Parts: sequence; C-alpha cells; structure tokens
Amino acid sequence: DSGVTQTPKHLITATGQRVTLRCSPRSGDLSVYWYQQSLDQGLQFLIQYYNGEERAKGNILERFSAQQFPDLHSELNLSSLELGDSALYFCASSVSGGSSSNEQFFGPGTRLTVL
Amino acid sequence: AQKITQTQPGMFVQEKEAVTLDCTYDTSDPSYGLFWYKQPSSGEMIFLIYQGSYDQQNATEGRYSLNFQKARKSANLVISASQLGDSAMYFCAMRTAPGNTPLVFGKGTRLSVIA
Repeated sequence: DSGVTQTPKHLITATGQRVTLRCSPRSGDLSVYWYQQSLDQGLQFLIQYYNGEERAKGNILERFSAQQFPDLHSELNLSSLELGDSALYFCASSVSGGSSSNEQFFGPGTRLTVL
Repeated sequence: AQKITQTQPGMFVQEKEAVTLDCTYDTSDPSYGLFWYKQPSSGEMIFLIYQGSYDQQNATEGRYSLNFQKARKSANLVISASQLGDSAMYFCAMRTAPGNTPLVFGKGTRLSVIA
C-alpha cells in the first residue's frame, strides 16, 4: 500500500458526460501528479500541483481540469468525454524538496471506461 | 526534452534465471534521476529502484540492480533469480532536478517468467 488513495476504482460513463476523479496523497506529501495510461499513448503526465498551486502541465486536454484543495487532496475533472478518454488514471504524490531522488508514490488508479 | 526508450516490448525468462530489461534515455540536463516501476496485472505502479546521475555506484535493491552506463545513456534493470511473481510490465522513467518534477516514462517491457 503506497499510502495514496484514489476513488473511484472503476468508472463507467457515456460520451459527452463529465466525471470527477479524486486523489488523497500520502500524509505530508505536498506534490500531486496526475498521469493517464492508455493503450496507444502509454503513460503520460497530465498535470502537477504543489501545495495548492499548479506547478506543471503536460499533455492535458482543455476538456480536463484539476485542482488541489487546502487539505492537499486533488480532483481531476474530465468533461465532454470521448471514447478515446477511456484509460487508467493515476495520481501520484511525492515529498517536497529539491532532490531528483524523490520517489513518486502511485495510487491504485481509476479505470475510466467511456461507452 | 527528455525521452525514455525501451526497445523490448516483451521478454521471456525461465524461473530462477536472471534477466536484463533495457532502457536508454536522452536529456541535456546534467542532473537527473532514473526510476524503474513494476506494474502487475492488477494495475498498480510499484517503485523498484532509483539511480541518480551523479551516483558513483550502480543501485541495488534486493534482487533488482541497475546497470547504469552514463556515457551510453543507458539504465538497464537486472532482475536476478526470477520468480513467477515477477511477471509484469516494467517501466523505466526519468526526471530532472529539482525533484518535484513529473516523470517521463518509456513504453514498457512485458516480462513473462516461465516455470
């Protein structure tokens, strides 16, 4: 158990709908990262938050947005869903600090299926 | 830009034998970290081992070791005494300093351990 929790574990929805994925980082971790894993694109970084502020943006679509709340949990909002958004969405967290050795701890993921 | 290349889509190894999973990377940053993660069929991402660009010795963690050849920009994972439970996807990833930056992943190698 990495200490990172994600809910829900599975999500099935229809095209055009909107969903919210939730992540709670490990206790004390200030950084939260969202990744998308799909068969064709592999593991891709979407967005990072650090202590409530957006820190870095990757290949995140405009239909997607995220935020990190004062209690450090984070939510990833996906709207106007398309079939191609079906994927495993991971949240990861890491401690603060400047060392490149800071390991990222991954949550169990949310498997999104868009029908 | 950073890039990770894993050229082996799939590998087979006999139980109790050693296996090497290849990873090459590309970055212009002098300070970076290299990671290996394991993803079993259940889907979670499990951290295995880390190597820093300035580390003088190759990293080892139990049955996992990293063959780091900086001049060749390679960071191959060696698994000794393979076990059936090692069957999984293995991902090589990198990040540059400072530590709170996203990981860039390779496409992964599927390892199958045969009894």
